[in-house]
Amino acid sequence: DIQMTQSPSSLSASVGDRVTITCRASQSIRYYLNWYQQKPGKAPKFLISDASSLQSGVPSRFSGSESGTDFTLTISSLQPEDFATYYCQQSYSTPYTFGQGTKLEIK
Amino acid sequence: EVQVVESGGALVQPGGSLRLSCAASGFTFSLYWMNWVRQAPGKGLEWVANIKQDGSEKYYVDSVKGRFTISRDNAKNSLYLQMNDLRAEDTALYYCASGLGGLGYWGQGTLVTVSA
Repeated sequence: DIQMTQSPSSLSASVGDRVTITCRASQSIRYYLNWYQQKPGKAPKFLISDASSLQSGVPSRFSGSESGTDFTLTISSLQPEDFATYYCQQSYSTPYTFGQGTKLEIK
Repeated sequence: EVQVVESGGALVQPGGSLRLSCAASGFTFSLYWMNWVRQAPGKGLEWVANIKQDGSEKYYVDSVKGRFTISRDNAKNSLYLQMNDLRAEDTALYYCASGLGGLGYWGQGTLVTVSA
């Protein structure tokens, strides 16, 4: 199975900060990497597909990139509604493993 | 408007069985792979299983192979998860999810608790 390792596991930041979350795959997954945002008590929200394709309705301050087996989610200027837990997921081969999550908290 | 509604969660004893259901609307169900994803209390997301549009292919995470069976009824726009030989570690909120390229459609989940 492909392992997805996210870092950091938690992060404190302030409104307006630029934040980067990294996800590393244990083997090549090409660009088959998705990002989700989850708020307490809610289902995950799909943010980015194929490493960098922003889903409809997702603010442009969110972006994704890839470099080999390393993937990055960047929020360019944090807004209050962005404080949540973020997950990466590979959709290259089953089981479609998720990263362990990154909890983004208000500093 | 897309709607995904899971049902069937309950408190069940270890070794017991449960069948989860998912009713979908607002998208052409028969054209989508369908998935089950679970989340143990206070933990992260775990992909559990998925099924191809026509039901001809099914895949599972190793921890549920041989115990869980995913199925679908395209005429009823419904997805199912038959769970047998349940264990304490299966305790979780089970989500039905689907989408193109990723999981863009999610329900609110149904809670399965395995405990004596």
